[in-house]
Amino acid sequence: GQQVMQIPQYQHVQEGEDFTTYCNSSTTLSNIQWYKQRPGGHPVFLIQLVKSGEVKKQKRLTFQFGEAKKNSSLHITATQTTDVGTYFCAGRKTSYDKVIFGPGTSLSVIP
Amino acid sequence: DSGVTQTPKHLITATGQRVTLRCSPRSGDLSVYWYQQSLDQGLQFLIQYYNGEERAKGNILERFSAQQFPDLHSELNLSSLELGDSALYFCASSVEGLVNSPLHFGNGTRLTVT
Repeated sequence: GQQVMQIPQYQHVQEGEDFTTYCNSSTTLSNIQWYKQRPGGHPVFLIQLVKSGEVKKQKRLTFQFGEAKKNSSLHITATQTTDVGTYFCAGRKTSYDKVIFGPGTSLSVIP
Repeated sequence: DSGVTQTPKHLITATGQRVTLRCSPRSGDLSVYWYQQSLDQGLQFLIQYYNGEERAKGNILERFSAQQFPDLHSELNLSSLELGDSALYFCASSVEGLVNSPLHFGNGTRLTVT
């Protein structure tokens, strides 16, 4: 079945350092979504990428969707303590298919 | 506030028992998803409903069942509970019917089986 993988599983950075998490799917995706879950909270939608090679930015966050629509990345520039949480990518094979989440990357930021 | 309401917030029960988790989607959302999140684990997809009909099924145990009612709220029934069923259960809703609609999650129900 469809699998979505993410690396690394955990990442500890000093405040101000950059952070990147990578997402890979075993199948071509219709779209990829990114979510953030703060400790003790629920996942919150960040962004969606649909087109091959698409790049989107949200302030210090940069999201990319691979050319083959099988991989994606989230890059955070100059991390802050407010960035702490687990970042999940999620994808579906077709627009009406189930949404499968990756295992997440847990980010810790050391002040 | 995502607009998705889940009740109860916490549930403590014994092995072998049965519980029902409830979810009210955001106003206007037709699709409801259920996910299970165990301690320090990812989000395991259980099942999806769209406008009252089952749309997709994940690795949902036979002891688990769900349904979506005409008013679009959904219930997840867990029976013959085992210790391993202890987890955070999230409901999410989306507009669906539109291409690529994001999921909006509720605050979850934390189930503890003792």
